[in-house]
Amino acid sequence: DTGVSQNPRHKITKRGQNVTFRCDPISEHNRLYWYRQTLGQGPEFLTYFQNEAQLEKSRLLSDRFSAERPKGSFSTLEIQRTEQGDSAMYLCASSLGKGTYSGANVLTFGAGSRLTVL
Amino acid sequence: GQQLNQSPQSMFIQEGEDVSMNCTSSSIFNTWLWYKQDPGEGPVLLIALYKAGELTSNGRLTAQFGITRKDSFLNISASIPSDVGIYFCAGQEYQLIWGAGTKLIIKP
Repeated sequence: DTGVSQNPRHKITKRGQNVTFRCDPISEHNRLYWYRQTLGQGPEFLTYFQNEAQLEKSRLLSDRFSAERPKGSFSTLEIQRTEQGDSAMYLCASSLGKGTYSGANVLTFGAGSRLTVL
Repeated sequence: GQQLNQSPQSMFIQEGEDVSMNCTSSSIFNTWLWYKQDPGEGPVLLIALYKAGELTSNGRLTAQFGITRKDSFLNISASIPSDVGIYFCAGQEYQLIWGAGTKLIIKP
């Protein structure tokens, strides 16, 4: 296992286009998280899954953002009708979690997908 | 979103110097984590702290979980060029809350 894998690593798109990012977590991890990071800031939590269930999505930035994890393995984050303010690094992380809450887990991050919206 | 107060924002140091950075919060956390992020990469976990008062080392890195559960510090001893990067603290209750990072720069 090579850790958390994200692709594409870089995406440049025009405003109004849809983009999709993929995350492949560490295979034995049941929890998967999406974060957004802008320059000079720490990661900002977006959503997380335990297996295929999306347990928290209230932090998704708008209804243009959606995430799926259909089989409890890889996940996709889609941004529809992109805006220039969506330009950021989108980070995926996974952990081996227990219970209902996302606490008491150590997250392993992928290298991120950098989005630039022109 | 909510963030921790992490300081300093950046540090310029000479190779071989010791480094100290800290995070404070108005909230109590059950876990404190310290991550390092290199340019264009995701954060990598350095040290995890699970108990108030806990002092943990990882090579030249030492971190402590404050007794009030509202703060943590990270020390790096005898810095080397590969220590350059951005260090983030994160407090965990139900979710991770992140500091804004401390950028470490080593003067040539």
